[in-house]
Parts: sequence; structure tokens; C-alpha cells
Amino acid sequence: QKEVEQNSGPLSVPEGAIASLNCTYSDRVSQSFFWYRQYSGKSPELIMSIYSNGDKEDGRFTAQLNKASQYVSLLIRDSQPSDSATYLCAVERGATNKLIFGTGTLLAVQP
Amino acid sequence: EPEVTQTPSHQVTQMGQEVILRCVPISNHLYFYWYRQILGQKVEFLVSFYNNEISEKSEIFDDQFSVERPDGSNFTLKIRSTKLEDSAMYFCASSRTGILSSTDTQYFGPGTRLTVL
Repeated sequence: QKEVEQNSGPLSVPEGAIASLNCTYSDRVSQSFFWYRQYSGKSPELIMSIYSNGDKEDGRFTAQLNKASQYVSLLIRDSQPSDSATYLCAVERGATNKLIFGTGTLLAVQP
Repeated sequence: EPEVTQTPSHQVTQMGQEVILRCVPISNHLYFYWYRQILGQKVEFLVSFYNNEISEKSEIFDDQFSVERPDGSNFTLKIRSTKLEDSAMYFCASSRTGILSSTDTQYFGPGTRLTVL
């Protein structure tokens, strides 16, 4: 079982729609969860972090965490073509809080 | 806003050569990390570094790899004898406390693309 699993996509949504990205993780001990956006050839850019069960909203982004189901999601409202990128789910692990990444979901927002 | 910087942005080397990738973490950060991403694959943890020593390393980080903080600002990754499979993007990251929370996180540098021929 992979430590962090994501659907690789591509996920295609029309401009203005809600994009829903999902992630599951295997280690119940993990406490911190992150969504990074990565444009092709660029470094990961943190867009959301979440540490407790429930929803966390920041602008057009909402992260959802369900520790019982070991599930993290990211909703992007009013999707824009500039949101087209690969979205990486990451989970902190271990004493040094290293990040374990999923393979990422490619999001394509169609104008 | 402070940021992590990395040099060079692109390094081309011959198989078997040594390379040193350089990073300047954010100035008040104490925890440093290297990750790599082979083209089309996921970002993978290599090593974490705190208080001038390795805190944790992955299976990828074998004897060919080493890290060093030679002065108060730089953090380097050395690959002693490069292989074709070392071709990847290498990202440096730093955090202030090492405890990921609403007040601290890992900040990534722009990466160095290493191409081994």
C-alpha cells in the first residue's frame, strides 16, 4: 500500500466550476497534512495545511480532513485556467517531520 | 518575503563526476531538508539536517550522498560519483522549528535540475 495515494488524473473542469482533489494516507500517526501546487518544472508551492478534522477555508480553497477515514481533500471553487497545475498531497512523518508526497493530481481548467 | 535559494538552476555533468548542489535556507530557520523529483515521478525525501548533523535519511541517501553546512548560510548536497539515475530535480527546504504547524512549515527552494549524461 502506498503511503500517500492520489488519482493522477488528469482532472478536467470548466472555468468557474469546483475542482475536487482527493488523497488517502496509510499512517494513522500522521498529524499534519498539506496541499502543494506544482507548475511544470517548478518547485512545490504550499497552498493549504490542515491539522484537525473538518474543513479549513482560505479564499477559493477548502481543505477537508477525516482522520478516521485517513482521507484529505482539496476543493477549489471558481476554478481558473491559472489553477491548472499538479496538486500534491503531502503528509508529515517521523521525528524530523519529513514530508511524504503523493504522486500528484494533474488539474486542467478549461477556459 | 524571505525565500530559500538554490544554485545552480541547472547542472549538467558526466556520469561518475562529483556534483555539489547549493542551497541558502531562510536565515532564521534551523531545520533543512533535501528532496528529489525524478521527471514524471513524485517528490521523494532524501535527508533532514539539524544542529550540524543528519537527523534522518531515506534509503535513497546512500554513501554516494553527503550533506554539509559549511558556514552559517549555505547547505549543500554532494553526490560523489553521479549515475544516470541521479538525473532529477533536487529541492532544498527549510523550516524554523521542525514542528509543522499553523505557524511553521517547510519552504521549498526553486530547485536544481541535475542532468547526468
